[in-house]
Amino acid sequence: SQQGEEDPQALSIQEGENATMNCSYKTSINNLQWYRQNSGRGLVHLILIRSNEREKHSGRLRVTLDTSKKSSSLLITASRAADTASYFCATGYSSASKIIFGSGTRLSIRP
Amino acid sequence: DTEVTQTPKHLVMGMTNKKSLKCEQHMGHRAMYWYKQKAKKPPELMFVYSYEKLSINESVPSRFSPECPNSSLLNLHLHALQPEDSALYLCASSQATAEEGYTFGSGTRLTVV
Repeated sequence: SQQGEEDPQALSIQEGENATMNCSYKTSINNLQWYRQNSGRGLVHLILIRSNEREKHSGRLRVTLDTSKKSSSLLITASRAADTASYFCATGYSSASKIIFGSGTRLSIRP
Repeated sequence: DTEVTQTPKHLVMGMTNKKSLKCEQHMGHRAMYWYKQKAKKPPELMFVYSYEKLSINESVPSRFSPECPNSSLLNLHLHALQPEDSALYLCASSQATAEEGYTFGSGTRLTVV
């Protein structure tokens, strides 16, 4: 069963604009990860934020985590056509060797 | 080598066929996973192997049979599948726990006819 819900389900922005995606989850987590998937192929790990961290950066990516609200956001700055993909959050637990994916956001970048 | 390799990339099989999906990694990862993904849906966990032992089976029907011959290989044996089993099957690997990022293969697109 899905742990996380993401919104929006779909997002279309102009190239160069920033894109923000949100993820909410239900139970306590050990970490939260974000993945990108192009055209229904394999997923690429983007960034991991641990439950004791509040913000993390990687290149044009910024992730925040609010454990009190059980939510996370992924910000992609200065978007490019190559950023067009589906983005999934995934929650990790210390008590189970698995991660559970959220519902995903389909991002389209218009030239 | 930082990749997970899945073969074949595409597979069409009849409901009476037996086929196998293969997955290989040489990153020294000790956990390997099978996920199933339907169109426009998130990946759903099927099986987890940890140190070559099956640690999680998410109530997957017995027509799917996983096998981990060694720490680098993971197979998924398919038998008597149904058309609704058509999906993208993704293999992934990680360090011993799932508390780091996964490395995914590019998947096998399976069509059951």
